[in-house]
Amino acid sequence: EVQLVESGGGLVQPGGSLRLSCAASGFTFSSYGMSWVRQAPGKGLEWVATIKQDGSEKYCVDSVKGRFTISRDNVKNSLYLQMNSLRGEDTAVYYCARDREGASLYWGQGTLVTVSS
Amino acid sequence: DIQMTQSPSTLSASVGDRVTITCRGSQNIGGWLAWYQQKPGKAPKLLIYRASTLESGVPSRFSGSGSGAEFTLTISSLQPGDFATYFCQQYNNYPRTFGQGTKVEIK
Repeated sequence: EVQLVESGGGLVQPGGSLRLSCAASGFTFSSYGMSWVRQAPGKGLEWVATIKQDGSEKYCVDSVKGRFTISRDNVKNSLYLQMNSLRGEDTAVYYCARDREGASLYWGQGTLVTVSS
Repeated sequence: DIQMTQSPSTLSASVGDRVTITCRGSQNIGGWLAWYQQKPGKAPKLLIYRASTLESGVPSRFSGSGSGAEFTLTISSLQPGDFATYFCQQYNNYPRTFGQGTKVEIK
């Protein structure tokens, strides 16, 4: 059974940092691209970043460029999102997801990030 | 960036109704479109990818069509568990973008 379990969310002050983790199991992690998608409270879905299977290609939305970094450890079967210089508009539930041709087939339960003073 | 626009934003329907949701892209995305269903407090669920391919385990009352820049999601006979919010997403290029969502409510 495919499982994706996010962790690392919480309350952080504006300008602060958080590192989200996503532990994957039930599939060959190194064979799939992985993504982070977020959802602000009461709002729609926003794609944040994607990393290819071997980590050689990374893409992210313009609003997080220079602040967020996606990475992965194919030995630990884990996906990460390092978030720096956090802003109020980064407040959201962050989901990790396993790609299926670019769509997201499997999703974690999400971890809430709240940026507030 | 490619903008994805869904219509309607809200749809009121009854059990048994045929429901159609439209998703338009600001440019041609070929067939690289997915549809998701999301219920409150839950992660999205992939229903359809590549515009018309039904994900395994998804009931056949869901169908997708379209290509280029205009796509539709159809539910042939709405069931109680289908009241949810539906999102389209293009993955033809980066940034991948979602539509704003269509909430299907009970009439």
